[in-house]
Amino acid sequence: DTGVSQNPRHKITKRGQNVTFRCDPISEHNRLYWYRQTLGQGPEFLTYFQNEAQLEKSRLLSDRFSAERPKGSFSTLEIQRTEQGDSAMYLCASSFGMGSGDYGYTFGSGTRLTVV
Amino acid sequence: DAKTTQPNSMESNEEEPVHLPCNHSTISGTDYIHWYRQLPSQGPEYVIHGLTSNVNNRMASLAIAEDRKSSTLILHRATLRDAAVYYCILRRSGATNKLIFGTGTLLAVQP
Repeated sequence: DTGVSQNPRHKITKRGQNVTFRCDPISEHNRLYWYRQTLGQGPEFLTYFQNEAQLEKSRLLSDRFSAERPKGSFSTLEIQRTEQGDSAMYLCASSFGMGSGDYGYTFGSGTRLTVV
Repeated sequence: DAKTTQPNSMESNEEEPVHLPCNHSTISGTDYIHWYRQLPSQGPEYVIHGLTSNVNNRMASLAIAEDRKSSTLILHRATLRDAAVYYCILRRSGATNKLIFGTGTLLAVQP
């Protein structure tokens, strides 16, 4: 296993178009997270899956954003009707969690979205 | 979620130890202290985490104050590859599993 993989690495799209990003987590990790990061800021939490269940969504995740994790494996993040304010780095992370145990996250290298 | 306070930036010389401080005066008994770092153009990288006792791993050491209101990440011999933004984060066990990042400390390492 080579870690968390995100595709594409870069995406340039015109305002109003839809985009979809993919994240392949570490295979034995049951938890998956999406974050967004803009220049000079720390990553902001977007959403969290445990297996295939989406257990938490940030208020940042407007109705134009949707995330899925079918079968508890890879995940997709779709942004509909993109706006220039959506330009950011989108990061995926995975971890293994059981009960209240605490474990480190492994992050992917991110997908950089530019909306023109 | 409890808040952490870190200096915006620090400088170090190569091959010297670095002590990165973090204050978390509102920490609760079930909050784990996590440290991540982010190199330019990469996703954050897990460094270390702990609850009450000091922790050591191959990357760093984590020293936790007895009252847990502060902690220090220790890089024993800084290298140029350690130049990054270091984030100190509290994660509450048993509740939400998300990490809440602040703006971190930008560590510059001089040769």
